[in-house]
Amino acid sequence: SAVISQKPSRDICQRGTSLTIQCQVDSQVTMMFWYRQQPGQSLTLIATANQGSEATYESGFVIDKFPISRPNLTFSTLTVSNMSPEDSSIYLCSVEPKGTNRNAFFGQGTRLTVV
Amino acid sequence: KQEVTQIPAALSVPEGENLVLNCSFTDSAIYNLQWFRQDPGKGLTSLLLIQSSQREQTSGRLNASLDKSSGRSTLYIAASQPGDSATYLCAVKANSKLTFGKGITLSVRP
Repeated sequence: SAVISQKPSRDICQRGTSLTIQCQVDSQVTMMFWYRQQPGQSLTLIATANQGSEATYESGFVIDKFPISRPNLTFSTLTVSNMSPEDSSIYLCSVEPKGTNRNAFFGQGTRLTVV
Repeated sequence: KQEVTQIPAALSVPEGENLVLNCSFTDSAIYNLQWFRQDPGKGLTSLLLIQSSQREQTSGRLNASLDKSSGRSTLYIAASQPGDSATYLCAVKANSKLTFGKGITLSVRP
């Protein structure tokens, strides 16, 4: 299994500002995944972060809006830039540790409200 | 494009009832299927993982089945308790990506 610590757990931000979300894992993992869950919706993959290379973004998500860092095998950050109320969502990071048959583990999420 | 459907969106049952939550997916070429629980405003807790070669998995009062050819999975909860109240999400992995359903919000009445 994996223990994932995600910070902050929630925040209320002004439109036009940026928020950086941190994700720390208790073991080394190759890939870390960032998801968004809009109100009443299911999870949508934003991007996959590999250590030492640029993140791979899904259709509809761009690096300028959601820059990601992956400085080592246990840590990643997601920044939500130039926020608008439409960015109000829960943001979650996820990992699939080795030896777990690609079992996905999630952090507790960051509940973001943009006003 | 893989699509995952969970119907109904919400379910309310009395405590002690056995219940089945359904999940369907459109592309049977999956690597695995996973059931998660999500409490309001929180992250996801993994409940059961079924590999594509498996038919079912059990953990305590939970049993998940997989029929890959028909694109269906069920999560069976035995003797439901108020503490089981949460949203249950089904997700399928294919091409290294997880595709989620919208979830079923379960309420177990005391």
